[in-house]
Amino acid sequence: GESVGLHLPTLSVQEGDNSIINCAYSNSASDYFIWYKQESGKGPQFIIDIRSNMDKRQGQRVTVLLNKTVKHLSLQIAATQPGDSAVYFCAENLSSGGSYIPTFGRGTSLIVHP
Amino acid sequence: GAVVSQHPSRVICKSGTSVKIECRSLDFQATTMFWYRQFPKQSLMLMATSNEGSKATYEQGVEKDKFLINHASLTLSTLTVTSAHPEDSSFYICSARDTSGNYNEQFFGPGTRLTVL
Repeated sequence: GESVGLHLPTLSVQEGDNSIINCAYSNSASDYFIWYKQESGKGPQFIIDIRSNMDKRQGQRVTVLLNKTVKHLSLQIAATQPGDSAVYFCAENLSSGGSYIPTFGRGTSLIVHP
Repeated sequence: GAVVSQHPSRVICKSGTSVKIECRSLDFQATTMFWYRQFPKQSLMLMATSNEGSKATYEQGVEKDKFLINHASLTLSTLTVTSAHPEDSSFYICSARDTSGNYNEQFFGPGTRLTVL
């Protein structure tokens, strides 16, 4: 099940490196996934999404990979910058009555060192 | 993109008082809004789903009589924390769903920091 409630794991990288943030989701019926970035004291900000009929999607400097076999998502950030420092959450969405109900993963704190 | 606002951004209250938090979708209509609670260094936990014109759907373990939700219009949902206690201190975040977009895209508010003394 979801690991909500546990403290956040941390990933520390050097500026310019690539970052990979992982997320395990719990429900094999989830069919829509979103990565969010949350800076301290602010609400989550949409980064990129992917539907279950895809296994890869690319955005600007970000790529999301989906492995439905093992229920795993990853977010890759290229050339990480200090401004990327934040907590990153994946959210799985399960369709219910025609709408999506989101469930957030535990989150990963990304720290980028200049 | 669409903007969701919350008011107030911060509130400090005495134990036993009630606090109302507003969530507004500023440039779109939202038939569904969500309320989350987030404790320090933890994930967002869904408290309830607020549907315009009908009763909210609460997640298991969330007291509906303590966390009153009203979604009277397509642009406003309110969360009232009744008889607040120090353990209710948290970061409350709302999101609004723009059903006119693809995949029912959700937009988050900036959050409200509640501190109960």
